[in-house]
This record gives sequence, structure tokens and C-alpha cells, in this order.
Amino acid sequence: GAVVSQHPSRVICKSGTSVKIECRSLDFQATTMFWYRQFPKQSLMLMATSNEGSKATYEQGVEKDKFLINHASLTLSTLTVTSAHPEDSSFYICSASQASGGTDTQYFGPGTRLTVL
Amino acid sequence: GNSVTQMEGPVTLSEEAFLTINCTYTATGYPSLFWYVQYPGEGLQLLLKATKADDKGSNKGFEATYRKETTSFHLEKGSVQVSDSAVYFCALSASDYGGSQGNLIFGKGTKLSVKP
Repeated sequence: GAVVSQHPSRVICKSGTSVKIECRSLDFQATTMFWYRQFPKQSLMLMATSNEGSKATYEQGVEKDKFLINHASLTLSTLTVTSAHPEDSSFYICSASQASGGTDTQYFGPGTRLTVL
Repeated sequence: GNSVTQMEGPVTLSEEAFLTINCTYTATGYPSLFWYVQYPGEGLQLLLKATKADDKGSNKGFEATYRKETTSFHLEKGSVQVSDSAVYFCALSASDYGGSQGNLIFGKGTKLSVKP
């Protein structure tokens, strides 16, 4: 089946630093990738949708200058949390879809736990 | 707006017990409904789905029926196994939702623990 990986699985950083999270589709080409954020005991909340080669579409309330998304190839998308603060601590999950617009099944990565001290 | 509400866990069952995890939704239009499962240390996996009213999704002994009249999509399994221990997420995708096309809206997840 389709496999999506994320790296790192866990990261701890100091306040004010930037952190990059990678999302890779290992055995298929992902036209669309999604980034979600999950707080403890809460739903996954969509942050942004990215299509390969174009700018990401951010959901309302998500700061595009703080959460930089790059989808440079059909197998890799990156999320960079810039100038991270403790309130950015969360579980970040990506998913990838083979169909443009994400109307096909989404395949999820295992998630990245970010802790900002 | 669109939303998904599912029963809070954790749910603890003995092996071979009957499982029900309730899920109700609020949506405009005609959403597709999904159940995702997340095993420990792994990403979410699609378990089953239904795209229109009265459809029944089924997989690995789990099933759920799309009930438009009660806006529900309850997950059931007749006899659970220890290997079913995981977190289960109910979700909907509404094509006329004001976000990105294909956007999934998730419930909070229900953790299931099955004891031998």
C-alpha cells in the first residue's frame, strides 16, 4: 500500500528557533499534500494544502509566514515552523494524495511531535 | 458549519466483545463519511468509507452505515481482537465545504483497548 513517512518523529527545540519537518511519499507520486495539527485529545485540524509546484493554501487562522510550506517535488513536502514558541508545541501530521485537489484517498504519515521549550 | 462528534474514550473491552463507537455529523450538502484507524506508532489508515446515504462501508470485520436521517455513521464490530487496539477517528469530506477540496474534518478520536 501507499506509505508516507515523516522526519523527524520527535523534535525538541528552544523558543525562537526554526524547525523543519519533512513529509515523503515513498512509493507513489503525491500531487497534493496536507498538513494537520493535533492537540492532545483534540481533532486533527487542517493547516494547509499544498500542490506540487504551487503555493500552499492555508486555512483560516493559520499564519502563512509562521508555518512555511514547500512542496518542491511530487514526493516531498516540508513544513517549517519559524521562530517557534511554546504554544506551537503540538503533533503535526501530513497526508498525501495522488489526485489533484485531494479528492482521492489521503495516506497519512506517522506524525511529528514538536516540543518548544 | 461542518463538524464531527464521536464518543469519548477510552473504551476498554475484552476479546470477542461487541464494539460500537458512535459518530454523528453536521454538514451542508452530501458529505462522504470515513473511519480512520491509527495503530500505535503508525499513521492514520483508512478503515472504511461510505459516500451516500444508506451505503454500508466494511473492512476487517468492521462496518458502518451512512444514516442520513439520524446523521450518524456508527462503527461496529461483532467480535474484537487484541490487535484491534488503536485510536479510531470518524471523519467527513464535504465537497462544498469552504476550505480546500477534499478537506477532511475529523472527530477527536476514540481510543480502544482490547484485553485478552
